[in-house]
Amino acid sequence: GESVGLHLPTLSVQEGDNSIINCAYSNSASDYFIWYKQESGKGPQFIIDIRSNMDKRQGQRVTVLLNKTVKHLSLQIAATQPGDSAVYFCAEAPGSGGSNYKLTFGKGTLLTVNP
Amino acid sequence: SAVISQKPSRDICQRGTSLTIQCQVDSQVTMMFWYRQQPGQSLTLIATANQGSEATYESGFVIDKFPISRPNLTFSTLTVSNMSPEDSSIYLCSVGGTQYFGPGTRLLVL
Repeated sequence: GESVGLHLPTLSVQEGDNSIINCAYSNSASDYFIWYKQESGKGPQFIIDIRSNMDKRQGQRVTVLLNKTVKHLSLQIAATQPGDSAVYFCAEAPGSGGSNYKLTFGKGTLLTVNP
Repeated sequence: SAVISQKPSRDICQRGTSLTIQCQVDSQVTMMFWYRQQPGQSLTLIATANQGSEATYESGFVIDKFPISRPNLTFSTLTVSNMSPEDSSIYLCSVGGTQYFGPGTRLLVL
């Protein structure tokens, strides 16, 4: 039978295309959101963050969009490269400082970039 | 950003034994976090460790099973006690509000 939790959502793109990875979060009180990249055999690596008073934030080749109305977060990667292949996690926290930095992680999306 | 190291990087253990995982940070930090990542799954917070106080455990995790030490502002240990195959996971420490992660300890319990 199928094992719950072992099948990550997957996204396969061609090198040079733009990628969009989506995440639905659960807590309307969440104030802080982070995207992480986890390559095989490594710990999660911080990509970009955004606070609830913003709806868009840009970094180098990445953009995070936040829609609080529908509790949706997305990560856009421009000109995706083979080195972007990894599992991407969103995480949410209720606020800033102290125990409010307890992160709740989403399920993760496996991004595969085809050369 | 903080540089975090963990020891051991991986281990294979027999059921009923215990393993202590070390986390070392290159700067002083107030809060350290321990997470578990079961095979193919996301990360789940085990506990928050502040220097000078007892760790705060999340629902489903208890001190007897996962005792934590935090002797100073750059170091913490997590012990996985009386292990069973269900404890096979990656154990990760993280620091800071943005939470930079260590490389993880890959544990296999036979």
